[in-house]
Amino acid sequence: AQKITQTQPGMFVQEKEAVTLDCTYDTSDQSYGLFWYKQPSSGEMIFLIYQGSYDEQNATEGRYSLNFQKARKSANLVISASQLGDSAMYFCGYAGAGSYQLTFGKGTKLSVIP
Amino acid sequence: EAQVTQNPRYLITVTGKKLTVTCSQNMNHEYMSWYRQDPGLGLRQIYYSMNVEVTDKGDVPEGYKVSRKEKRNFPLILESPSPNQTSLYFCASSSQGLSNQPQHFGDGTRLSIL
Repeated sequence: AQKITQTQPGMFVQEKEAVTLDCTYDTSDQSYGLFWYKQPSSGEMIFLIYQGSYDEQNATEGRYSLNFQKARKSANLVISASQLGDSAMYFCGYAGAGSYQLTFGKGTKLSVIP
Repeated sequence: EAQVTQNPRYLITVTGKKLTVTCSQNMNHEYMSWYRQDPGLGLRQIYYSMNVEVTDKGDVPEGYKVSRKEKRNFPLILESPSPNQTSLYFCASSSQGLSNQPQHFGDGTRLSIL
């Protein structure tokens, strides 16, 4: 399985500030996809954003953007204007083209402070 | 409404008593998968299915069985549960092309094996 690394077990951010959650991956695949999911305390997994390895533009979805640096093999999630409801676990995931496995990092717990 | 439905949501049972966690999706997805989530370990794939009657092992298949007799259903079977299978379990589905299609997750099943 591919290795996905999220180096920040926990992060704090002030409400209305921006925050970056780190994700690096180890692969020799040329084509792959990167995903971010949010898991609030209620437990469900919510898809946030996707980046394809051949996408030239960084993906954006509302307040979420993905800072994709292919040469560095990093896919950091940027949340702008943090809200209290953003407090949750965040998981980075990787899937190679033609693969049937989605590999997740161990997650980052984000806490938004009022 | 497009959804992945798992049952039960919560279960406390005893070692050795066979149990089945059901998973059903209404999106006509070919691909389905089971994950377990443990603190500090993130989500790990147990089994996946590419289509009806086609299944394969993920990263942690020991102690589990699956079947895919119908496209919409993908039950997870614990023939002889043990305490180390106490975990939060997720079923997920997607259309083919895992590297460019986000997975839809069920709400999770919390299993406690005493």
